[in-house]
Amino acid sequence: QVQLQESGPGLVKPSETLSLTCTVSGGFISTYYWTWIRQPPGKGLELIAYIRYSGSTNYNPSLKSRVTISVDTSKNQFSLKLNSVTAADTAIYYCARRIASTDAFDIWGQGTMVTVSS
Amino acid sequence: QSVLTQPPSVSAAPGQKVTISCSGSSSNIEHNYVSWYQQLPGTAPKLLIYENNKRPSGIPDRFSGSKSGPSATLGITGLQTGDEADYYCGTWDSSLNTPVFGGGTKLTVL
Repeated sequence: QVQLQESGPGLVKPSETLSLTCTVSGGFISTYYWTWIRQPPGKGLELIAYIRYSGSTNYNPSLKSRVTISVDTSKNQFSLKLNSVTAADTAIYYCARRIASTDAFDIWGQGTMVTVSS
Repeated sequence: QSVLTQPPSVSAAPGQKVTISCSGSSSNIEHNYVSWYQQLPGTAPKLLIYENNKRPSGIPDRFSGSKSGPSATLGITGLQTGDEADYYCGTWDSSLNTPVFGGGTKLTVL
């Protein structure tokens, strides 16, 4: 059974770079699309970006200028970097698996809370 | 402001039926599959419905999905207190060229 686990700092200073990694276990990262989604406290879901094992990517237009998503197939991991963060980037960050043919996200990590504060 | 519009909240009594609407446009719901997610308090979202009306293994048939034109609906019958959660719709948006979500609906089982 495929499981996802996010990891990374829970506190990031304003103007710095938020870096998170998602480790895929119980299956291979090849095939499917791998996604980062965030949820500000008390608010809804926002897609950040997704990547295929081949390296092809898709970014939320509103975040594209600050986001980099990458994949390391040898480690079965994919990563997110969000630069120039502000308090508005404070959120729970989820990694999830996307099934392209249905546009559904069928497996989610438990999420990791990231707070932007000095 | 979410691309897809959902009512902020709905409520119903245990055992009753409730529907949650998700309104979009010709650039998203009308021509693409809709999925629904259940987010229990303090947990990650869980896929409830995909391809408009299909249920993943393990999801009871009390949950159903439908789509008509630019709108979709999630139905839940035989409500249980354990169904209290936030529910989100999602689909692909052909104009934004990215997946999008609704703002979420909080279900209260009175």
